[in-house]
Amino acid sequence: GENVEQHPSTLSVQEGDSAVIKCTYSDSASNYFPWYKQELGKRPQLIIDIRSNVGEKKDQRIAVTLNKTAKHFSLHITETQPEDSAVYFCAAVAKDWSGTYKYIFGTGTRLKVLA
Amino acid sequence: NAGVTQTPKFRVLKTGQSMTLLCAQDMNHEYMYWYRQDPGMGLRLIHYSVGEGTTAKGEVPDGYNVSRLKKQNFLLGLESAAPSQTSVYFCASRFDRVGSNQPQHFGDGTRLSIL
Repeated sequence: GENVEQHPSTLSVQEGDSAVIKCTYSDSASNYFPWYKQELGKRPQLIIDIRSNVGEKKDQRIAVTLNKTAKHFSLHITETQPEDSAVYFCAAVAKDWSGTYKYIFGTGTRLKVLA
Repeated sequence: NAGVTQTPKFRVLKTGQSMTLLCAQDMNHEYMYWYRQDPGMGLRLIHYSVGEGTTAKGEVPDGYNVSRLKKQNFLLGLESAAPSQTSVYFCASRFDRVGSNQPQHFGDGTRLSIL
């Protein structure tokens, strides 16, 4: 079946450094790629998303890049802060044969920002 | 708007007991989803619904049933709870705008322990 591979599973960075999380998807029909942040004991929350007609999107310290040819997309966090520590999930979304939007989530990356 | 509300937040059951988890959303969303989240396994889709009166199986549907009698509510039932169903359960909903992908919005989760 379709899947999304997410790497790394854990990532530790020093405060102020950059963090990069990468996802690779298998369904070439995927055309929407949201990223979620989940703090400990909390709900996943959307932090940024990108559609397939765009190669890059930025929102302050967070950016996402998409390479449709290689079928991978990445989350970039610059100037990391302790409050960025959380689990980050990527997802790839495609319509199936019935017209239903299918979300395939990655397995998550636990980011630790060390003060 | 309250967004997506899940009840209860915590529950402990004995093996063989039954229970129903309730998810309610006040955003008039068409799509609703139930996920379970286990350590290191990300979010796995149990069942989903694309509208009132409809339900469909996800990735891990066995042992669960769902109903969507009203658009705003999506119920997840465990008929005979098993220890393997110990998990954190998340409900999500999504607006279905024709021709445009939309993100999922998550509830706070229900932590369920089966003894």
